[in-house]
Amino acid sequence: EDQVTQSPEALRLQEGESSSLNCSYTVSGLRGLFWYRQDPGKGPEFLFTLYSAGEEKEKERLKATLTKKESFLHITAPKPEDSATYLCAVGRGSYIPTFGRGTSLIVHP
Amino acid sequence: SQTIHQWPATLVQPVGSPLSLECTVEGTSNPNLYWYRQAAGRGLQLLFYSVGIGQISSEVPQNLSASRPQDRQFILSSKKLLLSDSGFYLCAWSTPSGLTDTQYFGPGTRLTVL
Repeated sequence: EDQVTQSPEALRLQEGESSSLNCSYTVSGLRGLFWYRQDPGKGPEFLFTLYSAGEEKEKERLKATLTKKESFLHITAPKPEDSATYLCAVGRGSYIPTFGRGTSLIVHP
Repeated sequence: SQTIHQWPATLVQPVGSPLSLECTVEGTSNPNLYWYRQAAGRGLQLLFYSVGIGQISSEVPQNLSASRPQDRQFILSSKKLLLSDSGFYLCAWSTPSGLTDTQYFGPGTRLTVL
């Protein structure tokens, strides 16, 4: 059974304080690992898909990396507008990805 | 570019009343379509998915049903709502190849059953 575990469940940062969110996964035949951002009361917004170990992708202050067992979402010099819940999911080409429960990030000014 | 719409955005319904939530996708053909429910403080629960018109797979047995009357239209229904049906309902689509399962979500419908 595919499993995705995200840690920490919640993270509070000061503006400018860089940190990382972790997504550990167990999946047979990984086809893609996905990161989403979800603001309160809104649908998840797609951020990245990573396909193989060693791959990295960046978008503004966010950088996602992938190993064979986990993915990290690095947030560099975060701003209050980066506050959101970040969701991780894995897919193996079965039409149904497996989602983690998310990490709630709050960035204080 | 592709766009996904959901309506209504919010809905307050009494227990025992019917439900119809609609989702449409623009800018793509034969997408895979999904209905999820997200309860407060909990993860995404997959309810239904569809890989084509008239093809519906149910992941959770309950009083909800789904239909796909057109290629890019997905409807979530109930004949009689329960209190436990309250939640945030999300529609999503993915490319028909299903090679990576990247999903794109709609804005969601907040359902409150009283």
